[in-house]
Formats: sequence, structure tokens, C-alpha cells
Amino acid sequence: NAGVTQTPKFQVLKTGQSMTLQCAQDMNHNSMYWYRQDPGMGLRLIYYSASEGTTDKGEVPNGYNVSRLNKREFSLRLESAAPSQTSVYFCASSERGWGSSNQPQHFGDGTRLSIL
Amino acid sequence: GQQVMQIPQYQHVQEGEDFTTYCNSSTTLSNIQWYKQRPGGHPVFLIQLVKSGEVKKQKRLTFQFGEAKKNSSLHITATQTTDVGTYFCAGYASGGGADGLTFGKGTHLIIQP
Repeated sequence: NAGVTQTPKFQVLKTGQSMTLQCAQDMNHNSMYWYRQDPGMGLRLIYYSASEGTTDKGEVPNGYNVSRLNKREFSLRLESAAPSQTSVYFCASSERGWGSSNQPQHFGDGTRLSIL
Repeated sequence: GQQVMQIPQYQHVQEGEDFTTYCNSSTTLSNIQWYKQRPGGHPVFLIQLVKSGEVKKQKRLTFQFGEAKKNSSLHITATQTTDVGTYFCAGYASGGGADGLTFGKGTHLIIQP
């Protein structure tokens, strides 16, 4: 049972390039999340998806787009990367839909992204 | 919006000493979760507290939820090197809009042997 799988694990981009971070979960969870983690800032929510076909903005959505491709997969896209987007990106999933956070969030291993 | 403050940001202890991290919310929480992140790793769920005044224990870890459901604490007795990492609280306020779980910035536990 793989849980939450993120690809790639590491990536270096140049300013202005675009890329998509992939996330897939095999736990049949309804909700999926994208966070970024920066030193001293904790985990900040970028976007989330309460269920297949829905997405909503979190605390820091600017410069990002997301796609909930199906129940398993939730991707994060940087259209024009900026140095301020250098961070560690975590995808997470949880068992219940939006409006109830009574189940734990399961995190992937993260993508370490550097933008030069 | 909802804010969750966590203190201290860093805590250095000698192995065998106790450790406590505190979490305070600007709003009343429906529940609070605690996560641990090892260096270079990802956050891993530890526990959830739901009831006012609730206390839960996991071996050397004791978790408390305040009577007003606006604060929480994690206490580790007799720390070991395996306890090294960052401990995050994450609060959920029902009706809090699109933010869902709000994470504190974490407390980094550094243990000196």
C-alpha cells in the first residue's frame, strides 16, 4: 500500500519555466490537498479538493493552478515559475469530504523545488 | 481568518529531559490534530483531540485540549533521540470557510545526547 505518491522528488527550474507536480493516492480518499512548506512558515495550504471535480483556493493560491483529474490524482501546476516559489511541496489526502476534518491527513514524501 | 500560534519555535533539551509545546488559536476549535515531522521527512499524524478538556496519552507523549477549546499542548516525558523533529498542531474550526485545517508553524525539538 503506497499511500500518497508524489513525483518528482526533486526539481530545479529556471524563472519563467512551467511544470506540473503530480500526486496520486491509493486510499480511496475524497479530499486532497497541496501545501507548501518554507522555513519558519509551517505548512500553508495552496489549494484543496473536497471531492472529484471540485477545487478551492487555500491560503496562498497565487501563481498556482490545480487539476483533480480523478479521485486518485490531484496535480499542481506552476505556469511561470518565480524564485519565491522555491519550497518543499506536500500533497496530502484525507478520508472525508470537505466540511469535516475528523480524519487524519496522509502526506506524500514531498517535492523539493528550486527556482533559479 | 483563523490563526494558530505555536510556541516555542525551537526547543533544545538534554536527552532525558521533558519537553512541552503549546498551541493557541484565535478562534474556538472543533478539534485539533498533532503531527510529527522528522528531519527531511513528511508530517505524520499523531493524534486528534475533540472534547473540551480532553487528555490523551501515547506512551511518553501526553496531549491536552483546553477547556475553552482554544489551546492545546503536547508534553513528552524523558525525551529520547528518536523524538527529534518538528511537532505541528493543526486546528479545525467548523464554519471557518475554505481554510479547513490551519497548521501552526511548528516547534523544532533538538535533543543533545
